[in-house]
Amino acid sequence: EAGVAQSPRYKIIEKRQSVAFWCNPISGHATLYWYQQILGQGPKLLIQFQNNGVVDDSQLPKDRFSAERLKGVDSTLKIQPAKLEDSAVYLCASSLMMSSAAGEQYFGPGTRLTVT
Amino acid sequence: DAKTTQPNSMESNEEEPVHLPCNHSTISGTDYIHWYRQLPSQGPEYVIHGLTSNVNNRMASLAIAEDRKSSTLILHRATLRDAAVYYCILRGRSFGNEKLTFGTGTRLTIIP
Repeated sequence: EAGVAQSPRYKIIEKRQSVAFWCNPISGHATLYWYQQILGQGPKLLIQFQNNGVVDDSQLPKDRFSAERLKGVDSTLKIQPAKLEDSAVYLCASSLMMSSAAGEQYFGPGTRLTVT
Repeated sequence: DAKTTQPNSMESNEEEPVHLPCNHSTISGTDYIHWYRQLPSQGPEYVIHGLTSNVNNRMASLAIAEDRKSSTLILHRATLRDAAVYYCILRGRSFGNEKLTFGTGTRLTIIP
């Protein structure tokens, strides 16, 4: 079974530029998550999709971050304009369904973003 | 969100058992206890979860205190590949409360 795919793996941009990350979840997984992980911290949930609808985006800085999940499969996360404090690893995860006993989430390898 | 408390770091010798503790004194009756681990330069991976009873799987065992205010992840025979950050997380079951809230976890070092 193929895992969660993310691209690019690394990205370096200057502040005030824009950047986009792509995620392809495991086939058949209805729920998709984007996390931000700053160095030395645990991942922080940015947004959660159930199919192509947003379930939770309470921690997404909506003035500069946006995300979409067209057709309930792939997803993109965009930052525009980027700030220095956006330097982090951006992780995508997916799960079969939201409300299950385990709700085991499968994570991709992440995209390491450096903003200079 | 209910919080968990874990030691920042632990060390263990290779091929010996490892007991990783987690305190969650404010756990609610409907919260599951989840453990994830994150190997260097990788995304987190699911390890195990439980509600009230002790649980075993191919990766580890989870021992849950009778009052559910603490739990212990047990790696029966640590290998160098078990060196990772281990996260203990409480996960709700009600709609909209299923998200994983990661803390800073326990960094486990395995000594050869």
